[in-house]
Amino acid sequence: EPEVTQTPSHQVTQMGQEVILRCVPISNHLYFYWYRQILGQKVEFLVSFYNNEISEKSEIFDDQFSVERPDGSNFTLKIRSTKLEDSAMYFCASSMTLNYNEQFFGPGTRLTVL
Amino acid sequence: GNSVTQMEGPVTLSEEAFLTINCTYTATGYPSLFWYVQYPGEGLQLLLKATKADDKGSNKGFEATYRKETTSFHLEKGSVQVSDSAVYFCALRENRDDKIIFGKGTRLHILP
Repeated sequence: EPEVTQTPSHQVTQMGQEVILRCVPISNHLYFYWYRQILGQKVEFLVSFYNNEISEKSEIFDDQFSVERPDGSNFTLKIRSTKLEDSAMYFCASSMTLNYNEQFFGPGTRLTVL
Repeated sequence: GNSVTQMEGPVTLSEEAFLTINCTYTATGYPSLFWYVQYPGEGLQLLLKATKADDKGSNKGFEATYRKETTSFHLEKGSVQVSDSAVYFCALRENRDDKIIFGKGTRLHILP
């Protein structure tokens, strides 16, 4: 069964460093998403991406975040200058269409900022 | 704004017990409602969904009914197994909206 994959599973970085979280969505899906979950808190929407551009973003997704689909398979989330409060589990998801369609989630990348 | 509230965990039950995890929502329109499950070390998996009022979603013995009058989508299972131990997330998505809005999650422990 096709699945969303994410690498790395755990990333440790120093405050102020740039990190890139990688995702491989399901191959025939057209919509891509990033969510995050700070420990003990809700899973929160960050951004959605369709047709090579951001279609919706939350207020969390400020200028330090960016997303990219650099080739036909990868979908990346870049955090330009990490802060302590960026420590969280980051989930990538993809869906074939928008309305009523299931979003398939990856296993997550745990980011720890020291 | 839209939100989801679900019961705090952890919930600990014995095998074969009846399970209810309460979930209520606030939405401006007519959302689709979901239950996602996260097994240890894995991603979020869709467990069941309902897209309109009075719909019942069901999967793997779990059920939830979309109740518009009480804005609820409680998860139930008649007889839980140890393998049901996981974190369960109630969630909603408004039509034509990209994002899913999640509750905080309820950790379920089933004892043999």
